[in-house]
Amino acid sequence: EDQVTQSPEALRLQEGESSSLNCSYTVSGLRGLFWYRQDPGKGPEFLFTLYSAGEEKEKERLKATLTKKESFLHITAPKPEDSATYLCAVVIPSGSRLTFGEGTQLTVNP
Amino acid sequence: DSGVTQTPKHLITATGQRVTLRCSPRSGDLSVYWYQQSLDQGLQFLIQYYNGEERAKGNILERFSAQQFPDLHSELNLSSLELGDSALYFCASSVRDNPGAGNTIYFGEGSWLTVV
Repeated sequence: EDQVTQSPEALRLQEGESSSLNCSYTVSGLRGLFWYRQDPGKGPEFLFTLYSAGEEKEKERLKATLTKKESFLHITAPKPEDSATYLCAVVIPSGSRLTFGEGTQLTVNP
Repeated sequence: DSGVTQTPKHLITATGQRVTLRCSPRSGDLSVYWYQQSLDQGLQFLIQYYNGEERAKGNILERFSAQQFPDLHSELNLSSLELGDSALYFCASSVRDNPGAGNTIYFGEGSWLTVV
């Protein structure tokens, strides 16, 4: 069964303390891995899509990487406004849906 | 602002009632997706439409139905509502029907449904 697992469930950082979030997947024939940011009560905001192992993408303090089994979202020198839930989702060949992980709730303290 | 518009933003209704949630996709997007997010569960895929036709079905209850109209807006109908149907319902859209290369899925801000 296709699965997406995110870790940790929650992460608390001090401002400026870099860290990484993990998304591991068991999907045959991955067609894309998406990262979204979600603020409480809001819709998921698109961050990145990765398609093949070795691919990397950056946006401001965020950098996403992809291997054959997992993806990392690296946060460099985070700020309090980076506090949110970060969601990982995969697309499988047999469907057009996104299958989401449970998310990592990130809190950055000033 | 993702460009996906959902109405209403909030809705409170009683058990047994029926509600309709509305979604306008981003300009140019032909595909519409509906997702449910409840407190104890992550984002669950319900159904997808592409250019008016149903393309994929997830864990959508028989009490729920959806359609996409010729102007590409979509409606999600929820009937015989139960307390457990209380959740955030998201609509998302994309240009093509398959989230492959370059086909990003953008989400709306959601419709909060509370069943009392």
